[in-house]
Amino acid sequence: DVKVTQSSRYLVKRTGEKVFLECVQDMDHENMFWYRQDPGLGLRLIYFSYDVKMKEKGDIPEGYSVSREKKERFSLILESASTNQTSMYLCASSLSGLAGVGKYFGPGTRLTVT
Amino acid sequence: GNSVTQMEGPVTLSEEAFLTINCTYTATGYPSLFWYVQYPGEGLQLLLKATKADDKGSNKGFEATYRKETTSFHLEKGSVQVSDSAVYFCALSDLSDNYGQNFVFGPGTRLSVLP
Repeated sequence: DVKVTQSSRYLVKRTGEKVFLECVQDMDHENMFWYRQDPGLGLRLIYFSYDVKMKEKGDIPEGYSVSREKKERFSLILESASTNQTSMYLCASSLSGLAGVGKYFGPGTRLTVT
Repeated sequence: GNSVTQMEGPVTLSEEAFLTINCTYTATGYPSLFWYVQYPGEGLQLLLKATKADDKGSNKGFEATYRKETTSFHLEKGSVQVSDSAVYFCALSDLSDNYGQNFVFGPGTRLSVLP
């Protein structure tokens, strides 16, 4: 089974802090993604990466950056956390070139910014 | 662009009732279709999928058939259990989605099953 793990299930940070969310997958997937999930807004793509050191903006990249130094690890960085970044953050991974394979998600990190 | 529409929730059923959650899609090509389930406080889990017309995906008693003529992928289960209470997401991906960046999720349908 594909395993996608996230470093924290729950996180509480203060406004202005720098926040790191880590994601690791163990199935040698090329693609990795960060989503945020908010009530009434569904899942929104923040950033994705299709290879080591490669990254692309998703639909809502403002206020976020990412890092992918190793194939299995994809980090989401909130440079200066704000209260409107309070959300559930979901990491996912997938294989390239196979539309029918689907994505595999981690358990999520619920981030609260106070 | 591609899109997914799901029936509005919440859906509340008694245990052992029959479940249908409707999903229709709009796509320019020939998408693959998925159902994901999210249990309370958890991430999304891939429940089932279908990659071409008339394919039936099935898992854990859930089924969905890819209907190209009606552009639908309705989720069904013959007898729901309390443990099926969750949010269900329909999703699609097409061959132009090289990296999965254009994966489209529906808004989700919350299911509550009462004992």
